Amino acid sequence: KNEVEQSPQNLTAQEGEFITINCSYSVGISALHWLQQHPGGGIVSLFMLSSGKKKHGRLIATINIQEKHSSLHITASHPRDSAVYICAVRWGYNTDKLIFGTGTRLQVFP
Amino acid sequence: DVKVTQSSRYLVKRTGEKVFLECVQDMDHENMFWYRQDPGLGLRLIYFSYDVKMKEKGDIPEGYSVSREKKERFSLILESASTNQTSMYLCASSLALDIGGLNHEQYFGPGTRLTVT
Repeated sequence: KNEVEQSPQNLTAQEGEFITINCSYSVGISALHWLQQHPGGGIVSLFMLSSGKKKHGRLIATINIQEKHSSLHITASHPRDSAVYICAVRWGYNTDKLIFGTGTRLQVFP
Repeated sequence: DVKVTQSSRYLVKRTGEKVFLECVQDMDHENMFWYRQDPGLGLRLIYFSYDVKMKEKGDIPEGYSVSREKKERFSLILESASTNQTSMYLCASSLALDIGGLNHEQYFGPGTRLTVT
């Protein structure tokens, strides 16, 4: 069983739709990261959070530590949001290492 | 601007060859990481280095070794390439944990798609 589970695995949407991607993890963590990977491989970090909520433009990330769950929301989705979104968690406080989910592939059609 | 570069975007090698993948970062980061990414499995850590000449095994170190002689450069070595090492290889770097235990984001290179035939 993966320690980090993402859902859905694949997601298609029409431009303008509100998107939600979920991430659940099985043990206590000290931080959670959301990453974006475009076709061709490059990965960029979107958010790093340990509690509450963060917002950047049309992207919102929330985390519920008690429920071991995080969500990534995209408002007013656009075709350029098409990418793989990856959740990663840091276990404990004395490590820099991350455990990654398998990703959610999002396609937004015009 | 933050930059992590990898020596090749695409590489084709034969079974049994020794393969070197190079990664260079210009951000003076202490930590450097090598991952491989396979469909359905996500990113898996091969090796991690937290300082020059210091390394730590990740989840899948078998068949790989690493070298970090300078802070900015972290090399992944496949001693004798095999077909099951065909994959996308990603390098990343980050600042070390600070005294307060604050984690820092990882910056990724563009990846090297290695095919072993």
